[in-house]
Amino acid sequence: EPEVTQTPSHQVTQMGQEVILRCVPISNHLYFYWYRQILGQKVEFLVSFYNNEISEKSEIFDDQFSVERPDGSNFTLKIRSTKLEDSAMYFCASPTDKLNYGYTFGSGTRLTVV
Amino acid sequence: SQKIEQNSEALNIQEGKTATLTCNYTNYSPAYLQWYRQDPGRGPVFLLLIRENEKEKRKERLKVTFDTTLKQSLFHITASQPADSATYLCALGVYSSASKIIFGSGTRLSIRP
Repeated sequence: EPEVTQTPSHQVTQMGQEVILRCVPISNHLYFYWYRQILGQKVEFLVSFYNNEISEKSEIFDDQFSVERPDGSNFTLKIRSTKLEDSAMYFCASPTDKLNYGYTFGSGTRLTVV
Repeated sequence: SQKIEQNSEALNIQEGKTATLTCNYTNYSPAYLQWYRQDPGRGPVFLLLIRENEKEKRKERLKVTFDTTLKQSLFHITASQPADSATYLCALGVYSSASKIIFGSGTRLSIRP
């Protein structure tokens, strides 16, 4: 079963600091996604990334957020100046090989902004 | 406005019974609908996908129906077990390609022995 790996599993940061969340998606895929889930709330779409470019982003994904694929395998989400309300679980996802298999999500990074 | 609503926040049923979860949507024209399971502190795990031209899909004890006229999907777990206790999420895909999926808020299912 292909896996999506996320690091770190938990990140605590001070308000105003920059954080970088990392993901190793399923290889040979062109589509990648970032989602977030505030505690007790629903999973929300942040951004989709296709062929090394942002293909779609939500209103949550403002100028504080950026995504990169620095080395062809890793996939990063950067938050430039964290706010308290950025505290959430952040998940990256890839479609599996066949669309009938849905999307594979990583185990997430729990970001706590203090 | 666009909405995806799942019937209740929580559902509590007796082991062995069939659990039925509902997902309703408004102002979407989904190409497909997916169901996921989510355990506390974990990422969603894909269960089933049903396309707009399909009425029903099955996988072991799971069954999903999709009624585009009613704008509703039903998710059934037959012969439920305590290990089925989790939050179940429906998610809509608007396009047939690998575009984003949009999640409902989920239903927390508890199966009591």
